[in-house]
Amino acid sequence: DAGVTQSPTHLIKTRGQQVTLRCSPKSGHDTVSWYQQALGQGPQFIFQYYEEEERQRGNFPDRFSGHQFPNYSSELNVNALLLGDSALYLCASTSRGIPRGYTFGSGTRLTVV
Amino acid sequence: AQTVTQSQPEMSVQEAETVTLSCTYDTSENNYYLFWYKQPPSRQMILVIRQEAYKQQNATENRFSVNFQKAAKSFSLKISDSQLGDTAMYFCAFMKHENFGNEKLTFGTGTRLTIIP
Repeated sequence: DAGVTQSPTHLIKTRGQQVTLRCSPKSGHDTVSWYQQALGQGPQFIFQYYEEEERQRGNFPDRFSGHQFPNYSSELNVNALLLGDSALYLCASTSRGIPRGYTFGSGTRLTVV
Repeated sequence: AQTVTQSQPEMSVQEAETVTLSCTYDTSENNYYLFWYKQPPSRQMILVIRQEAYKQQNATENRFSVNFQKAAKSFSLKISDSQLGDTAMYFCAFMKHENFGNEKLTFGTGTRLTIIP
């Protein structure tokens, strides 16, 4: 049973560019959340998608946007990249039937130069 | 807004010994959940243990147990008979009870635990 799959695993981008990160939730899960983890810090909530809608958003600028597809997979888009966007981006999935149990992927390490 | 504080940036313990990681949180909510997650070098966050705030009984999962003190807003993790595979970053996390689809985890800054052979 595949868990949460994220791609790519590593990525290097230049300031000002745009990036798209992808996440496939665990089989049977329909809700996807995205977190940003800066080096040496705990993850920070970006947003959550359920039924193809953004349900809740953390304190992140509009440069961060997302999408959820009918197959429950999700994308995180970041525009106009800044050096400070360098971080590990984690995707987590769950389902209504699971009592507050989130399964995390191994993340995408984004480096902005 | 909720905050989670982990005051021990790093800890180390000999293999087979017991170690306790500390976590305090601040909230005005009464209905919430607390978690301990483990993040090994593979980067994947792995759920170690979960506690519902309405339950007075402390959660246990094999060698892992918590000491949940709701009035003191304290949630410590005890690892018994520590193993080399327990070496990892450990994060304490808080989640306010919301309608499904509107929940989020608030994490602390983590404790780096090293098990010494």
